[in-house]
Amino acid sequence: DAKTTQPNSMESNEEEPVHLPCNHSTISGTDYIHWYRQLPSQGPEYVIHGLTSNVNNRMASLAIAEDRKSSTLILHRATLRDAAVYYCILRDWNNDMRFGAGTRLTVKP
Amino acid sequence: DVKVTQSSRYLVKRTGEKVFLECVQDMDHENMFWYRQDPGLGLRLIYFSYDVKMKEKGDIPEGYSVSREKKERFSLILESASTNQTSMYLCASSLSTGISDTQYFGPGTRLTVL
Repeated sequence: DAKTTQPNSMESNEEEPVHLPCNHSTISGTDYIHWYRQLPSQGPEYVIHGLTSNVNNRMASLAIAEDRKSSTLILHRATLRDAAVYYCILRDWNNDMRFGAGTRLTVKP
Repeated sequence: DVKVTQSSRYLVKRTGEKVFLECVQDMDHENMFWYRQDPGLGLRLIYFSYDVKMKEKGDIPEGYSVSREKKERFSLILESASTNQTSMYLCASSLSTGISDTQYFGPGTRLTVL
């Protein structure tokens, strides 16, 4: 199974952009890159996903490297409510959704 | 908005008890999933179901069973609870099995087995 590597933790200041990296060097051509986040005491929630092109939605942007071996989740203006564990996940045709340890984002006021 | 609800946020049971965890989704989703989440191990898939009365084993099905009698409801059953089943249990649903499809999670049930 293709795996992802993320930093254990990151810090950001409120209202500043945050770039959360994810390495997935063994990604296959048909794997989708999904990002979920888990706020304290809640279940994970979907953030964004993409295949090859960069993607934007109301929550975040996803920048995917040209070789697809890495991606970056971008929160344009971090708020205190964005403090969460962010998971980068590869989904293949087996429909597995394997959550790793994720990146714990701390947002400082 | 999709809503996935779980019957309890916190549950305390004794070793050997039979435990039922209920999950209900209100968006007519085909697929439903049960995960457990443990520190350092992330989320691990226990069972999933892609249709009523259908079930598939996930990565760690041992000690668990599931039931899906109605489309909106997916139950996780611990036939004889053990202390190593103390965990956070998360239910999710999705519209289809497409790899671009989104899973919607419930708030979780924190189960403690004494």
